[in-house]
Amino acid sequence: AQSVTQLGSHVSVSEGALVLLRCNYSSSVPPYLFWYVQYPNQGLQLLLKYTSAATLVKGINGFEAEFKKSETSFHLTKPSAHMSDAAEYFCAVSDESWGKFQFGAGTQVVVTP
Amino acid sequence: EPEVTQTPSHQVTQMGQEVILRCVPISNHLYFYWYRQILGQKVEFLVSFYNNEISEKSEIFDDQFSVERPDGSNFTLKIRSTKLEDSAMYFCASRAPGGTNYGYTFGSGTRLTVV
Repeated sequence: AQSVTQLGSHVSVSEGALVLLRCNYSSSVPPYLFWYVQYPNQGLQLLLKYTSAATLVKGINGFEAEFKKSETSFHLTKPSAHMSDAAEYFCAVSDESWGKFQFGAGTQVVVTP
Repeated sequence: EPEVTQTPSHQVTQMGQEVILRCVPISNHLYFYWYRQILGQKVEFLVSFYNNEISEKSEIFDDQFSVERPDGSNFTLKIRSTKLEDSAMYFCASRAPGGTNYGYTFGSGTRLTVV
């Protein structure tokens, strides 16, 4: 069975400050890990994915995430927040066989001027 | 870039009515999925579909729900007799063969409101 836990349902950051969103996973097989962003009233947009290649994964919009097996973590970071980063962010885990995703509860990011 | 298309974007229906949510997956994809997101909650897996049959379904996907691929391009989710608690955003997704390495694309969703 797989699951993800996102620490913090709401995160507030100042424009220009570091964005750090935490995700820990549980998986009985080597996981595939994903971060998705959801803007208000829109669908799910893939930010980045880890599929057992490089442990540091770069995504769109300046985001990156690092897979740490020892910590079972896949935290998402962005060095400098923009107002346009205000959205909800979901971490998700999948195994290879089915591709079914288990999503975390999401983290709402608010960016203040 | 290829997209998964969902229609309608928003549907309002009366409790007890049947609804059909439609999805057009990416043309060379073979695996299809439905997820739902109740307002303020996380996205939940409903069902996966491959080779014209259900591969896996969650406990949410009870007898009120059904899926089919009627014409080789559309992928539909039917809710037979809607309940208030079925109000949610429903996402369709599709992926190419070969595992999640090969891309997994979500549609923009259908917001279903049951009144």
